[in-house]
Amino acid sequence: DAGVTQSPTHLIKTRGQQVTLRCSPKSGHDTVSWYQQALGQGPQFIFQYYEEEERQRGNFPDRFSGHQFPNYSSELNVNALLLGDSALYLCASSWDRELNSPLHFGNGTRLTVT
Amino acid sequence: AQKVTQAQTEISVVEKEDVTLDCVYETRDTTYYLFWYKQPPSGELVFLIRRNSFDEQNEISGRYSWNFQKSTSSFNFTITASQVVDSAVYFCALSGFANFGNEKLTFGTGTRLTIIP
Repeated sequence: DAGVTQSPTHLIKTRGQQVTLRCSPKSGHDTVSWYQQALGQGPQFIFQYYEEEERQRGNFPDRFSGHQFPNYSSELNVNALLLGDSALYLCASSWDRELNSPLHFGNGTRLTVT
Repeated sequence: AQKVTQAQTEISVVEKEDVTLDCVYETRDTTYYLFWYKQPPSGELVFLIRRNSFDEQNEISGRYSWNFQKSTSSFNFTITASQVVDSAVYFCALSGFANFGNEKLTFGTGTRLTIIP
């Protein structure tokens, strides 16, 4: 039973560039959430996707956008990268019909912006 | 607004000692959920426990136990007879009640636990 998988594992980008991170949810899950974890901090909620639409959004600028595909996988896009976007980006999945269930997290993508 | 405070940034104990990780939360919701997650060096957040606001019973799972007290808005986590494998960063998190799916999680800043052999 495959868990949540994220790619790539590490990424180095330059300020101003754009980046796309990918996530495949755990088998049987249909909802994907993205979190940003800065060094030494707790994860912060970016947004959640369900049925290919953004259902909830945290306090992140429009430079952060996402997408969910019919197979429930998801992408996180960040435009006009800033140094402050350097962080571990975590994807989490869940099943919509299991209310308030624990999230299953992937290992994350470590993004470094130089 | 929801807030989770983990005042202990780092804790080090010698193996086999007991250790308690503190978590204090703030919320205006009457129904909410509390979680603990473990983050080993690999980065993945591993779910440990979920508690809803109506259930104040303490819970024990092997060497792990949790003490939930609504009166003090605390949800503390104790590891008994600690082991080196317990070394990780531990996060306490809070969510509101979702009528569908899951509400977003609000995390604390984490406590880095080091078990010294």
